Amino acid sequence: DADVTQTPRNRITKTGKRIMLECSQTKGHDRMYWYRQDPGLGLRLIYYSFDVKDINKGEISDGYSVSRQAQAKFSLSLESAIPNQTALYFCATSDARLRGEQYFGPGTRLTVT
Amino acid sequence: GESVGLHLPTLSVQEGDNSIINCAYSNSASDYFIWYKQESGKGPQFIIDIRSNMDKRQGQRVTVLLNKTVKHLSLQIAATQPGDSAVYFCAENAHGGSQGNLIFGKGTKLSVKP
Repeated sequence: DADVTQTPRNRITKTGKRIMLECSQTKGHDRMYWYRQDPGLGLRLIYYSFDVKDINKGEISDGYSVSRQAQAKFSLSLESAIPNQTALYFCATSDARLRGEQYFGPGTRLTVT
Repeated sequence: GESVGLHLPTLSVQEGDNSIINCAYSNSASDYFIWYKQESGKGPQFIIDIRSNMDKRQGQRVTVLLNKTVKHLSLQIAATQPGDSAVYFCAENAHGGSQGNLIFGKGTKLSVKP
Protein backbone atom coordinates (compact mmCIF):
# COMPACT_ATOMS: atom_id res chain seq x y z
CA ASP A 1 0.00 0.00 0.00
CA ALA A 2 1.13 3.54 -0.72
CA ASP A 3 2.61 5.46 2.20
CA VAL A 4 0.92 8.75 1.21
CA THR A 5 -2.53 8.60 -0.34
CA GLN A 6 -4.68 11.36 -1.76
CA THR A 7 -8.38 11.42 -2.54
CA PRO A 8 -9.84 12.10 -4.97
CA ARG A 9 -7.26 11.56 -7.71
CA ASN A 10 -9.22 13.60 -10.21
CA ARG A 11 -11.98 16.12 -9.70
CA ILE A 12 -13.91 18.49 -11.89
CA THR A 13 -15.93 21.14 -10.12
CA LYS A 14 -17.69 24.37 -10.93
CA THR A 15 -16.77 27.91 -9.97
CA GLY A 16 -18.02 28.81 -6.51
CA LYS A 17 -18.26 25.26 -5.20
CA ARG A 18 -16.54 24.17 -1.99
CA ILE A 19 -14.20 21.25 -2.39
CA MET A 20 -12.00 19.26 -0.04
CA LEU A 21 -8.92 17.29 -0.95
CA GLU A 22 -7.79 14.68 1.54
CA CYS A 23 -4.42 13.25 2.39
CA SER A 24 -3.54 10.31 4.60
CA GLN A 25 -0.14 8.89 5.47
CA THR A 26 1.09 5.72 7.13
CA LYS A 27 4.70 6.82 7.54
CA GLY A 28 4.22 8.10 11.07
CA HIS A 29 5.61 11.50 10.14
CA ASP A 30 4.67 14.60 12.11
CA ARG A 31 5.08 17.04 9.25
CA MET A 32 2.65 17.38 6.38
CA TYR A 33 2.45 19.77 3.43
CA TRP A 34 0.15 20.81 0.60
CA TYR A 35 1.61 22.02 -2.71
CA ARG A 36 0.16 22.98 -6.03
CA GLN A 37 1.90 22.39 -9.32
CA ASP A 38 1.23 24.36 -12.47
CA PRO A 39 2.89 23.67 -15.84
CA GLY A 40 6.35 25.18 -15.95
CA LEU A 41 6.08 26.68 -12.45
CA GLY A 42 7.33 23.90 -10.26
CA LEU A 43 5.81 23.23 -6.85
CA ARG A 44 4.51 26.02 -4.65
CA LEU A 45 3.73 25.55 -0.99
CA ILE A 46 0.15 26.29 0.10
CA TYR A 47 0.09 25.25 3.78
CA TYR A 48 2.16 23.11 6.09
CA SER A 49 1.78 21.56 9.50
CA PHE A 50 4.52 20.36 11.83
CA ASP A 51 2.16 18.62 14.21
CA VAL A 52 -1.55 18.27 14.93
CA LYS A 53 -1.81 21.66 16.64
CA ASP A 54 0.37 23.52 14.19
CA ILE A 55 -0.81 25.14 10.93
CA ASN A 56 1.28 27.54 8.85
CA LYS A 57 0.66 29.47 5.67
CA GLY A 58 2.90 28.87 2.73
CA GLU A 59 3.68 30.96 -0.31
CA ILE A 60 0.19 30.87 -1.85
CA SER A 61 -2.40 30.30 0.90
CA ASP A 62 -5.05 32.79 -0.26
CA GLY A 63 -8.25 31.00 -1.24
CA TYR A 64 -7.30 27.82 0.62
CA SER A 65 -7.72 26.47 4.12
CA VAL A 66 -6.49 23.31 5.82
CA SER A 67 -7.34 21.03 8.68
CA ARG A 68 -5.01 18.63 10.48
CA GLN A 69 -7.50 16.16 11.88
CA ALA A 70 -4.90 13.73 13.19
CA GLN A 71 -1.21 13.03 12.80
CA ALA A 72 -1.97 10.96 9.74
CA LYS A 73 -4.54 13.22 8.05
CA PHE A 74 -4.24 16.65 6.48
CA SER A 75 -7.01 18.04 4.30
CA LEU A 76 -7.04 21.03 1.96
CA SER A 77 -10.21 22.99 1.24
CA LEU A 78 -11.11 25.45 -1.45
CA GLU A 79 -13.98 27.41 0.07
CA SER A 80 -15.18 28.87 -3.23
CA ALA A 81 -13.31 27.39 -6.16
CA ILE A 82 -12.22 29.60 -9.04
CA PRO A 83 -10.80 28.61 -12.44
CA ASN A 84 -7.23 29.72 -11.66
CA GLN A 85 -7.16 27.08 -8.92
CA THR A 86 -7.12 24.47 -11.66
CA ALA A 87 -3.87 22.62 -10.98
CA LEU A 88 -2.24 19.45 -9.76
CA TYR A 89 -2.21 19.27 -5.96
CA PHE A 90 0.29 17.25 -3.97
CA CYS A 91 0.38 16.29 -0.34
CA ALA A 92 3.75 15.47 1.22
CA THR A 93 5.09 14.32 4.56
CA SER A 94 8.45 14.45 6.25
CA ASP A 95 10.24 13.28 9.35
CA ALA A 96 11.49 16.16 11.48
CA ARG A 97 14.87 14.41 11.75
CA LEU A 98 15.39 14.25 7.98
CA ARG A 99 15.45 17.83 6.83
CA GLY A 100 14.22 18.24 3.30
CA GLU A 101 13.40 14.63 2.48
CA GLN A 102 9.70 14.82 1.74
CA TYR A 103 7.50 11.96 0.60
CA PHE A 104 4.84 12.90 -1.90
CA GLY A 105 1.44 11.46 -2.65
CA PRO A 106 0.32 10.67 -6.21
CA GLY A 107 -1.42 14.00 -6.66
CA THR A 108 -4.97 15.22 -7.25
CA ARG A 109 -5.79 16.80 -10.58
CA LEU A 110 -8.39 19.50 -9.98
CA THR A 111 -10.25 21.30 -12.74
CA VAL A 112 -12.48 24.26 -11.96
CA THR A 113 -14.83 25.19 -14.78
CA GLY B 1 0.75 35.18 -25.42
CA GLU B 2 2.87 32.58 -23.66
CA SER B 3 3.56 32.86 -19.97
CA VAL B 4 7.18 32.99 -18.93
CA GLY B 5 8.13 29.63 -17.53
CA LEU B 6 5.31 27.76 -19.29
CA HIS B 7 7.80 25.51 -21.10
CA LEU B 8 10.28 23.52 -19.10
CA PRO B 9 13.93 23.54 -20.06
CA THR B 10 14.59 20.20 -21.74
CA LEU B 11 17.71 18.08 -21.84
CA SER B 12 17.86 15.27 -24.37
CA VAL B 13 20.59 12.65 -24.00
CA GLN B 14 21.49 9.34 -25.55
CA GLU B 15 21.11 6.25 -23.44
CA GLY B 16 24.41 5.45 -21.79
CA ASP B 17 25.68 9.02 -21.85
CA ASN B 18 26.10 11.14 -18.76
CA SER B 19 23.54 13.85 -17.98
CA ILE B 20 24.11 17.14 -16.22
CA ILE B 21 21.14 19.11 -14.96
CA ASN B 22 21.76 22.59 -13.65
CA CYS B 23 20.02 24.78 -11.13
CA ALA B 24 20.64 28.33 -9.97
CA TYR B 25 19.44 29.48 -6.58
CA SER B 26 19.06 33.01 -5.35
CA ASN B 27 18.91 32.92 -1.56
CA SER B 28 22.36 33.35 -0.02
CA ALA B 29 20.95 32.09 3.27
CA SER B 30 20.07 28.68 1.79
CA ASP B 31 22.27 26.05 3.35
CA TYR B 32 20.61 22.82 2.29
CA PHE B 33 19.74 21.63 -1.20
CA ILE B 34 17.82 18.68 -2.55
CA TRP B 35 17.13 17.11 -5.92
CA TYR B 36 13.79 15.50 -6.69
CA LYS B 37 12.72 13.39 -9.66
CA GLN B 38 9.15 13.45 -10.94
CA GLU B 39 8.06 10.80 -13.39
CA SER B 40 4.99 11.32 -15.51
CA GLY B 41 1.80 10.96 -13.49
CA LYS B 42 3.58 10.62 -10.16
CA GLY B 43 4.60 12.76 -7.25
CA PRO B 44 8.19 13.97 -6.84
CA GLN B 45 10.67 11.52 -5.36
CA PHE B 46 13.74 12.42 -3.30
CA ILE B 47 17.04 11.65 -5.04
CA ILE B 48 19.90 13.21 -3.11
CA ASP B 49 20.67 16.14 -0.85
CA ILE B 50 23.70 18.23 0.06
CA ARG B 51 24.50 20.66 2.83
CA SER B 52 26.31 23.90 2.23
CA ASN B 53 29.42 22.71 4.06
CA MET B 54 30.02 20.27 1.20
CA ASP B 55 30.92 20.80 -2.46
CA LYS B 56 30.08 17.35 -3.71
CA ARG B 57 28.04 14.36 -2.70
CA GLN B 58 27.67 11.05 -4.49
CA GLY B 59 24.90 8.54 -4.55
CA GLN B 60 24.15 5.59 -6.73
CA ARG B 61 24.84 6.81 -10.30
CA VAL B 62 24.15 10.40 -9.20
CA THR B 63 26.42 13.18 -8.03
CA VAL B 64 25.40 16.60 -6.78
CA LEU B 65 27.82 19.51 -7.03
CA LEU B 66 27.38 22.76 -5.13
CA ASN B 67 29.12 26.02 -6.02
CA LYS B 68 28.18 28.53 -3.35
CA THR B 69 30.24 31.30 -4.94
CA VAL B 70 27.95 31.49 -7.95
CA LYS B 71 24.90 29.96 -6.26
CA HIS B 72 24.81 26.99 -8.60
CA LEU B 73 23.79 23.41 -8.09
CA SER B 74 24.09 20.54 -10.55
CA LEU B 75 22.95 16.95 -10.71
CA GLN B 76 25.04 14.52 -12.69
CA ILE B 77 23.57 11.19 -13.74
CA ALA B 78 26.03 8.59 -14.94
CA ALA B 79 25.18 6.14 -17.72
CA THR B 80 21.72 7.60 -18.23
CA GLN B 81 18.97 5.03 -18.69
CA PRO B 82 15.45 5.28 -20.16
CA GLY B 83 14.08 5.05 -16.63
CA ASP B 84 15.82 8.32 -15.83
CA SER B 85 13.41 10.17 -18.15
CA ALA B 86 11.54 12.56 -15.86
CA VAL B 87 11.35 16.14 -14.67
CA TYR B 88 14.06 17.02 -12.17
CA PHE B 89 13.60 19.72 -9.54
CA CYS B 90 16.13 21.32 -7.29
CA ALA B 91 14.92 22.66 -3.96
CA GLU B 92 16.53 24.80 -1.29
CA ASN B 93 16.04 25.44 2.40
CA ALA B 94 17.40 28.31 4.40
CA HIS B 95 18.82 27.87 7.87
CA GLY B 96 16.62 29.71 10.29
CA GLY B 97 13.69 29.30 7.98
CA SER B 98 11.06 26.75 8.85
CA GLN B 99 12.87 23.44 8.92
CA GLY B 100 11.62 21.36 6.04
CA ASN B 101 10.08 24.35 4.26
CA LEU B 102 11.46 23.89 0.75
CA ILE B 103 11.54 26.30 -2.18
CA PHE B 104 11.40 24.40 -5.46
CA GLY B 105 12.85 25.41 -8.79
CA LYS B 106 10.79 25.20 -11.96
CA GLY B 107 12.27 21.90 -13.14
CA THR B 108 14.18 20.46 -16.09
CA LYS B 109 12.78 17.73 -18.28
CA LEU B 110 15.23 14.95 -19.09
CA SER B 111 14.50 12.83 -22.16
CA VAL B 112 16.60 9.75 -22.80
CA LYS B 113 16.87 8.51 -26.35
CA PRO B 114 17.31 4.75 -26.76
